[in-house]
Amino acid sequence: NAGVTQTPKFQVLKTGQSMTLQCAQDMNHEYMSWYRQDPGMGLRLIHYSVGAGITDQGEVPNGYNVSRSTTEDFPLRLLSAAPSQTSVYFCASSYGDWWGYTFGSGTRLTVV
Amino acid sequence: AQSVTQLGSHVSVSEGALVLLRCNYSSSVPPYLFWYVQYPNQGLQLLLKYTSAATLVKGINGFEAEFKKSETSFHLTKPSAHMSDAAEYFCAVIPRDDKIIFGKGTRLHILP
Repeated sequence: NAGVTQTPKFQVLKTGQSMTLQCAQDMNHEYMSWYRQDPGMGLRLIHYSVGAGITDQGEVPNGYNVSRSTTEDFPLRLLSAAPSQTSVYFCASSYGDWWGYTFGSGTRLTVV
Repeated sequence: AQSVTQLGSHVSVSEGALVLLRCNYSSSVPPYLFWYVQYPNQGLQLLLKYTSAATLVKGINGFEAEFKKSETSFHLTKPSAHMSDAAEYFCAVIPRDDKIIFGKGTRLHILP
């Protein structure tokens, strides 16, 4: 089925560990974004990309890196996990912001 | 800075009653406006969007929203609530020449 696939669905990390959250889409969307969702905070943009080889920072980029080597994939790297990064992370893709985004089902990350 | 405000973090309605979820935005020009729905343990799903065509926008699952420039509002309505409508709803705005901004969400509870 066409859509946005995120892996893993759940992850527990120890403080200081690093990991990569995977995101892949098969809709040939140019725009891809990473959000984190925390209770009462809505969605906050971490990083986004408007095409392969192009990335930019969002509202809360500190502690996260991204790259976009292909149209399909947009991995999010946590460099040194901190408890403040405990959250639900969503990847989304679109033909453009005005089109509306397709979201993945999320990765629930706990940092202990 | 541009913003979007959703009035009420929780709204309860009886099954069969009118659903009204409020969204106001701050923008000097009419932006693109969206409503997304999030069911438990899922990603966000696009309900409907306003992109400067008709001011009354119809979406999926019987929802609609009306863009009112004079009130800078984009409230979401459904004539008759169903138990399956229980979810969290997010209003989002794209100011011209900027990234999408999400409201903090309104959780809709349906009372039997």
